[in-house]
Amino acid sequence: QVQLVESGAEVKEPGTSVKLSCKASGYTLSNHAIHWVRQAPGQSLEWMGWISGGVGDTKYSQKLQGRITITRDTSANMAYMELNSLRSEDTALYFCARGRGVAVTGPYLDYWGHGTLVTVSS
Amino acid sequence: QSVLTQPPSVSGAPGQRVTISCTGSSSNIGAGYDVHWYQQLPGTAPKLLIFSNTNRPSGVPDRLSGSKSATSASLAITGLQAEDEADYYCQSYDSSLSGCVFGTGTKVTVL
Repeated sequence: QVQLVESGAEVKEPGTSVKLSCKASGYTLSNHAIHWVRQAPGQSLEWMGWISGGVGDTKYSQKLQGRITITRDTSANMAYMELNSLRSEDTALYFCARGRGVAVTGPYLDYWGHGTLVTVSS
Repeated sequence: QSVLTQPPSVSGAPGQRVTISCTGSSSNIGAGYDVHWYQQLPGTAPKLLIFSNTNRPSGVPDRLSGSKSATSASLAITGLQAEDEADYYCQSYDSSLSGCVFGTGTKVTVL
């Protein structure tokens, strides 16, 4: 069955970087996009960006553009999300999710990881 | 910062019907992009409930249904059950933002 497993919780100081991993199993990573979504405590979901299936093009939210990088290692069926210049507002639960759908109607997320807590604090 | 607006909460007695609205604009729902719905139980990851406006993934009961019109969409839950108590989010794509967008979220309470 399809599963996505993120790396463990992180505690980071402001100004540093964090790199999270997402291990896919039950399907071939390169056949579908992987999206990253985060949720600050008590808040709604925030889409961060995606890496497409196939050639692995990336698209990032305008808010995070310049601070976020999403990559993948297809040989390991892994995806990664690196966020730089961390600030307290980046404290959140970070999810990876598999993307489905077509470009003309917009994607949806059919399988989600359990989430990884990132805490940014001095 | 969510561009899709949902009511903060809805409630109903067991067996009743509740609906959750999701209001967007001409750059997302009104532009023809599909709306998808997710359920999030406390402390867990979101789960896909409805995709492409009206479709249910395997395993989602037909008590749940989605609809879309103009610049808004709705999720209906009939025969409300205690297990339906959760947070619900709509999601679409926004051409102005060039990315996916989520709703503000709605907490469903079973009285």
